Amino acid sequence: DAKTTQPTSMDCAEGRAANLPCNHSTISGNEYVYWYRQIHSQGPQYIIHGLKNNETNEMASLIITEDRKSSTLILPHATLRDTAVYYCIVRPATDSWGKLQFGAGTQVVVTP
Amino acid sequence: GAVVSQHPSRVICKSGTSVKIECRSLDFQATTMFWYRQFPKQSLMLMATSNEGSKATYEQGVEKDKFLINHASLTLSTLTVTSAHPEDSSFYICSGAWTRAVEQFFGPGTRLTVL
Repeated sequence: DAKTTQPTSMDCAEGRAANLPCNHSTISGNEYVYWYRQIHSQGPQYIIHGLKNNETNEMASLIITEDRKSSTLILPHATLRDTAVYYCIVRPATDSWGKLQFGAGTQVVVTP
Repeated sequence: GAVVSQHPSRVICKSGTSVKIECRSLDFQATTMFWYRQFPKQSLMLMATSNEGSKATYEQGVEKDKFLINHASLTLSTLTVTSAHPEDSSFYICSGAWTRAVEQFFGPGTRLTVL
């Protein structure tokens, strides 16, 4: 069963902010929200993760709703190199890594 | 971030032959390594999980006698596709992590084409 739902695709203009939504209505209290992206024919790349609070790093910002049932990944100034499939994944907050359940993700195309 | 390499990046082989793919963690010790498969226009599907020194745990539907996984050291895991057939043609990706790691680190992938 899919634990997250994302739009299939979205377009974004270069230089503008890209807001990628993700629904995870069945998330448990001990599960993180992770975002990875995969540029064509490459391995996935970690972007950001969070539990309850909003997070920001050099790549993106993650906004998690107060009820934790949805989140938004924000790429503040999209570039052509941000064209990729973006995966929103929930993962238990345990010490050891279990498998990551990749859904279909959102194909983001950044246009000039 | 930590780096994972894969070798080869591309391989073409004849049907019936075996192919070995290496996955190395270059600057960390991977207590757990994962192998994924990705068909064109599809998402990543986990094939198996391996812990160093232990037998791999395969996902349902993945033939363990066909996809041999060895995780003999904390920096190396290998996937051997035995008696490869054209339907095994895919993009194979490995990843590694250590206990309490913040993220799972992925390799660049290996494109396997079976003729």
